[in-house]
Amino acid sequence: AQSVAQPEDQVNVAEGNPLTVKCTYSVSGNPYLFWYVQYPNRGLQFLLKYITGDNLVKGSYGFEAEFNKSQTSFHLKKPSALVSDSALYFCAVRDNSGYSTLTFGKGTMLLVSP
Amino acid sequence: KAGVTQTPRYLIKTRGQQVTLSCSPISGHRSVSWYQQTPGQGLQFLFEYFSETQRNKGNFPGRFSGRQFSNSRSEMNVSTLELGDSALYLCASSLAGSNPSDTQYFGPGTRLTVL
Repeated sequence: AQSVAQPEDQVNVAEGNPLTVKCTYSVSGNPYLFWYVQYPNRGLQFLLKYITGDNLVKGSYGFEAEFNKSQTSFHLKKPSALVSDSALYFCAVRDNSGYSTLTFGKGTMLLVSP
Repeated sequence: KAGVTQTPRYLIKTRGQQVTLSCSPISGHRSVSWYQQTPGQGLQFLFEYFSETQRNKGNFPGRFSGRQFSNSRSEMNVSTLELGDSALYLCASSLAGSNPSDTQYFGPGTRLTVL
């Protein structure tokens, strides 16, 4: 069975500082990894995904994520946080079989202070 | 291109009633998945439909059901509502779903409150 762990319920960072939201995964075979963001009373918004190839994936709104196979991690990063980045972030994984489902982590609340 | 739409956005029901939620996928997307989001359990997969067939099902009781129409629109139904069914129900669409790299795009959700 596949699973995702987001070890931090909340991450606090000051505006302008770099941010990291952590994610580790467990899956059989090659992983497909996704990050989504959710603003209050909204659905999930796709940020980026890792399929194969370059371990550093660039996505929307200046976010990027680094895939580390040996550590089974896929941490979300941004060089300079904005107050508007404050939201709930979800990491998700699916395996490489044709009909696997998407499994989400519990989510990490990111709070960026002015 | 229009995004995923869900109706209604908010619903209030009482225990024992049933409810039907609707989802219209992005044009050209043929796979629709449903999720339940609660503060305690997070995002839980309900089911996935492709070409009017249920392709995957999560670990939910039979009170939760769904269907997909020939135009890829989908509905989910919850019968005999319980207080614990109060949640945000999210629908997501993707191109075909059989490619694990397909991105799922989410609608705004339906907030169901059971009193």
